[in-house]
Amino acid sequence: DAGVIQSPRHEVTEMGQEVTLRCKPISGHNSLFWYRQTMMRGLELLIYFNNNVPIDDSGMPEDRFSAKMPNASFSTLKIQPSEPRDSAVYFCASSNLGTQYFGPGTRLLVL
Amino acid sequence: EDQVTQSPEALRLQEGESSSLNCSYTVSGLRGLFWYRQDPGKGPEFLFTLYSAGEEKEKERLKATLTKKESFLHITAPKPEDSATYLCAVDRGSTLGRLYFGRGTQLTVWP
Repeated sequence: DAGVIQSPRHEVTEMGQEVTLRCKPISGHNSLFWYRQTMMRGLELLIYFNNNVPIDDSGMPEDRFSAKMPNASFSTLKIQPSEPRDSAVYFCASSNLGTQYFGPGTRLLVL
Repeated sequence: EDQVTQSPEALRLQEGESSSLNCSYTVSGLRGLFWYRQDPGKGPEFLFTLYSAGEEKEKERLKATLTKKESFLHITAPKPEDSATYLCAVDRGSTLGRLYFGRGTQLTVWP
């Protein structure tokens, strides 16, 4: 298995632009998690899905952030409009209600 | 409030100098405790899952143990390639696989 796939791996954008991060979970996994990691705050859970349904989005910092999971093999995290404080590494992870397996992350820099 | 605390925040060891990392937790209804390793620029990599007090698991120079209040990751005769950040996470069992992560211990092993 290829593991969790994320794209892009790096993203540099200007403040105010829309950013879309993509994730393909491991085939057969029914839960998907979006995290943000910064030096200041560590690893924070933003939102997670179970069987494509959002379960808890209380970690989403603002209405500027939104996430979708249209099917079992794809999810997106969108930031619109982006701000410099959104700069971080964003990870996607998937699981079968057990061990979570992480993707390589998307390093986002908002100028 | 549920909490996962890791100590120390950073640890420097000389090659061959054994030590332990600590993860204390205050969650109720623990379903599992997870250890991950994270290398710079990469996503967390799964190491171990522990389910009940008294359980131990080993992998090469690493051994994880669990009590009712904390877990230890023992590193025996570490090598420079063991340098990484080690993350601890707990599953409460009532949140569809959501994990609560600690801030991690940054381990540096110098030759």
